[in-house]
Amino acid sequence: QVQLKESGPGLVQPSQTLSLTCTVSGFSLTSNSVHWVRQPPGKGLEWVGAIWSGGSTDYNSALKSRLSISRDTSKSQVFLKMNSLQTEDTAIYFCTRSGTEIVMDAWGQGASVTVSS
Amino acid sequence: IQMTQSPSSMSVSLGDTVTITCRASQDVGIYVNWFQQKPGKSPRRMIYRATNLADGVPSRFSGSGSGSDYSLTISSLESEDVADYHCLQYDEYPLTFGSGTKLEIK
Repeated sequence: QVQLKESGPGLVQPSQTLSLTCTVSGFSLTSNSVHWVRQPPGKGLEWVGAIWSGGSTDYNSALKSRLSISRDTSKSQVFLKMNSLQTEDTAIYFCTRSGTEIVMDAWGQGASVTVSS
Repeated sequence: IQMTQSPSSMSVSLGDTVTITCRASQDVGIYVNWFQQKPGKSPRRMIYRATNLADGVPSRFSGSGSGSDYSLTISSLESEDVADYHCLQYDEYPLTFGSGTKLEIK
């Protein structure tokens, strides 16, 4: 079945770079897109960005200068890198699948990221 | 596109009919999903393309709307429905979510 699982460090120091991995199974990255969505503590959901089935990317304009999303299709993995982290980037980061006519039908369990010294 | 979701919280009783609304700042052409999120869990897609029930979602959930106004209705609320609910527009990028609605039991 379709599964996504986020992994990465739980704690990142301010001004450092966050690296998260989303490992997927049950579907192909060359036929589906993967989006990243984050949720600060006690707040709503925010779309971070996406990598499309063809490998192109789209980013939230508020984060674009600090953000990079890439993938390794041979390993069924999608990567998020965000630099110059600040306390406001503290959140749970989710990866979620989309496809043709399908938007965010499956989600990972989320990776909690705390930005603190 | 801004998605204005209301109410932000709602105190409800089991068996109630509950309606949550999202208003988009422009026509989003029925490209609206609704998600349920329970504490400590990831969101679950409940409704897609404004009116379609996702797989495994009970029939007491329904979605309606068009243009810029959308709603999620839960009929005969059950205890397992107490959660946060989020709308999402995917007509245009960047994708945008509503601010969420928290359902609580009276």
